[in-house]
Amino acid sequence: GAGVSQSPSNKVTEKGKDVELRCDPISGHTALYWYRQSLGQGLEFLIYFQGNSAPDKSGLPSDRFSAERTGGSVSTLTIQRTQQEDSAVYLCASSQRAGSSYNEQFFGPGTRLTVL
Amino acid sequence: AQSVTQLDSHVSVSEGTPVLLRCNYSSSYSPSLFWYVQHPNKGLQLLLKYTSAATLVKGINGFEAEFKKSETSFHLTKPSAHMSDAAEYFCVVSDISAGYSTLTFGKGTMLLVSP
Repeated sequence: GAGVSQSPSNKVTEKGKDVELRCDPISGHTALYWYRQSLGQGLEFLIYFQGNSAPDKSGLPSDRFSAERTGGSVSTLTIQRTQQEDSAVYLCASSQRAGSSYNEQFFGPGTRLTVL
Repeated sequence: AQSVTQLDSHVSVSEGTPVLLRCNYSSSYSPSLFWYVQHPNKGLQLLLKYTSAATLVKGINGFEAEFKKSETSFHLTKPSAHMSDAAEYFCVVSDISAGYSTLTFGKGTMLLVSP
């Protein structure tokens, strides 16, 4: 079956522009996670969805970042007024359910964002 | 709170020699532990996971890891390195104290394999 997909794979934008990153989780997975991977920072948790709701937004770095999930499936991460420090690889992951630490998270290939 | 420390940012081995990637963790609860691998320009792939069953866990591609509670360690090993093992490896601890799984990643160890 299909894995987690993300689009676009690469995005180059100018400072100050808004960007939208998309994640299609594995069908039937109720939990969805966004992470950011940047040089020197490792992998940072951004936000978690259970169904369409986001009980934990604690990882979002600023109010320029927002995310939504519709129909319990596709999620969009939006960055407004992008800054150069937003340049990173944004990873999406999904898992069958969130209530077990044993559940493997399946990761997408990521979107590489470059802010000029 | 939980944390993960990967003791080496880079490990270099020759093809055919053993691999050891070191990981120490800290967790307030009985943790679940994972090793993920990331090849260049690819997504993260699960190598293996520890879930409180056997302390010696076998994963894909000949990798294994041993959970040692007394040492709070979860080191990754492979008897004989292959060129295709060159990648970045992440040790990860999972906790559900918040009611859902939160993953905390180590900073990664880059494995370099020379012919």
